[in-house]
Formats: sequence, C-alpha cells, structure tokens
Amino acid sequence: GAVVSQHPSWVICKSGTSVKIECRSLDFQATTMFWYRQFPKQSLMLMATSNEGSKATYEQGVEKDKFLINHASLTLSTLTVTSAHPEDSSFYICSAPGGPFQETQYFGPGTRLLVL
Amino acid sequence: GQQLNQSPQSMFIQEGEDVSMNCTSSSIFNTWLWYKQDPGEGPVLLIALYKAGELTSNGRLTAQFGITRKDSFLNISASIPSDVGIYFCAGRGGNKLVFGAGTILRVKS
Repeated sequence: GAVVSQHPSWVICKSGTSVKIECRSLDFQATTMFWYRQFPKQSLMLMATSNEGSKATYEQGVEKDKFLINHASLTLSTLTVTSAHPEDSSFYICSAPGGPFQETQYFGPGTRLLVL
Repeated sequence: GQQLNQSPQSMFIQEGEDVSMNCTSSSIFNTWLWYKQDPGEGPVLLIALYKAGELTSNGRLTAQFGITRKDSFLNISASIPSDVGIYFCAGRGGNKLVFGAGTILRVKS
C-alpha cells in the first residue's frame, strides 16, 4: 500500500507557542490530504481537507485560524497549531487517498502533541 | 459529526477463537474500509470493499460489503495475540470517510 509519513512523531510545547506537523506521501502524489484528530479511546474526527494549490476545507467547528493548513506540494501538507493551549493536546493523524480508484485512505503514523 | 454504528464496542476472546464485528449506517456508502489501529500508531488498512455484495479476504480476515450498501462486517478467524488492537470501519461518501467508534479486541492466550 501507499506510504504516508508524519513528522514529528511526538512533540511537547509550552502554551502559547505554535507547532508545525508535516505529512508526506512517500511514493505517490496526493492533491488532497486529510487531517484528523483523535482523543484517547475515541474514533478519528476529520478536521480539514488539505488541497494542493488552494485553500483547505475545514469541518464545522474547526477554527481555521487556529489550525493552519498548507499543501505546499503534491507530496507535502503541513498542519500548524497556532498559540497552542493544553486543550489542543491530542493525537493528530493525516491521510492521503490511494488505491486503484483513489477511494481508500492511507494514514500516517500520527503525531502526539502535548501542550503544557 | 456523523458516525457509523459499530459493534461490539469491545471483545475479550480466547486465542484461536473466531471474531466478528459489524458496522451499520442509515446512509449509503460507495466504499467500505476496515482499519486496525495499534496504540500510538495510525490506522492501517486491512480490507477495502468497493461493490455491494462484495466478499473479500485478506489472510485470516474476511469482510463483506452489505447488499444494501448500508452495512459491512469483518470476521477474523483463529485469532492470535497480535490481533489485539482497535478495529475501525469506515464508509466513504463523497471524498470523506465516516468512521465507526471502533471495536477494542483483546485476545487471551
């Protein structure tokens, strides 16, 4: 299957700082990538759809100024958590479409964010 | 947001037993996907189903896309300790995935 990587795998930061998370498709190009958030023992919640060359599409209730998304190239999308607060602590996972009909999604390994 | 109804929530079974879990939805989906997630990792795709009625196997795993396109099941035969984890179903509508709440599988050896 297609390989998606994320960096960093975990990060600890102070309140008020910004954190950037990278998502890369390693062996394929992705004009679209997806960013999810997952709380402990819960399912994945879609935050936004990242579109190469255009603005990201955010899900209802997700603050676009808080979670900045940039799809810089066909293999890279970044999520920046701006002015992070403890309630932003979570597991962030990206995915990219793949498969014969582009109807499956391949997930990155996730980034654990802890805001102190 | 919208979620699929996934059951059971958790299972604690004996090694060697078969496992069955399923997902239902009030909406029709064009694709059903099954993922496994280990702690601290991203979900890994197990099986993808593209057509109503499709029955697909991947080793000890078998999944079916319901004929009504509103449900899917996943079976694991002869479970082993490394099967432990959280299993998620996901339905694809448009270009987004809708996830079930997950089934936590524990295997007693």
